[in-house]
Amino acid sequence: SAVISQKPSRDICQRGTSLTIQCQVDSQVTMMFWYRQQPGQSLTLIATANQGSEATYESGFVIDKFPISRPNLTFSTLTVSNMSPEDSSIYLCSVDPTGVRETQYFGPGTRLLVL
Amino acid sequence: QQQVKQSPQSLIVQKGGISIINCAYENTAFDYFPWYQQFPGKGPALLIAIRPDVSEKKEGRFTISFNKSAKQFSLHIMDSQPGDSATYFCAASIGYGGSQGNLIFGKGTKLSVKP
Repeated sequence: SAVISQKPSRDICQRGTSLTIQCQVDSQVTMMFWYRQQPGQSLTLIATANQGSEATYESGFVIDKFPISRPNLTFSTLTVSNMSPEDSSIYLCSVDPTGVRETQYFGPGTRLLVL
Repeated sequence: QQQVKQSPQSLIVQKGGISIINCAYENTAFDYFPWYQQFPGKGPALLIAIRPDVSEKKEGRFTISFNKSAKQFSLHIMDSQPGDSATYFCAASIGYGGSQGNLIFGKGTKLSVKP
């Protein structure tokens, strides 16, 4: 298993600004994922961030809007850039310690409200 | 073809009753089917998972039933308790599938167990 912490846990931001979300894992993992969960909705994968390679973005998500860093095997950041109210959502970090994209452990999420 | 359709959207069950949540998929390449449980303010947590080589898997009060020919799987919660009140997500993926191995989540079912 893996224990994941995220910072901040919640934030209220003004439109046009950017927020960087941090994800810290208690063990070294290769595969890390960032998801978005809009209120009352399902989880949508934003990107996969593997240490040592560029993040892979899913359809509808671009690096300019959601830049990701993965400096080591226990840490990653997701930046939500030039925010609009439509970016109000829960952002979740997830890891797969097995490396086979199956058993994923999720962080508690960052609740973002953009005014 | 990548969708996982989940029903019902919400479910109210009396304490001690059986909660049943259903999911259907189209992509016959899916070979890993987990269920996640999410409490308010928390990230999703893996509850139970099944592969298509078995028709049923039971862990305590939680059972997954899998019907490969119908491309359906369901979660049964026996002797439902108020502490089971949460949102449940089904998911599917192609194990060892590289970029195709991303988890595809259903829209979630909000379960309320009344005392």
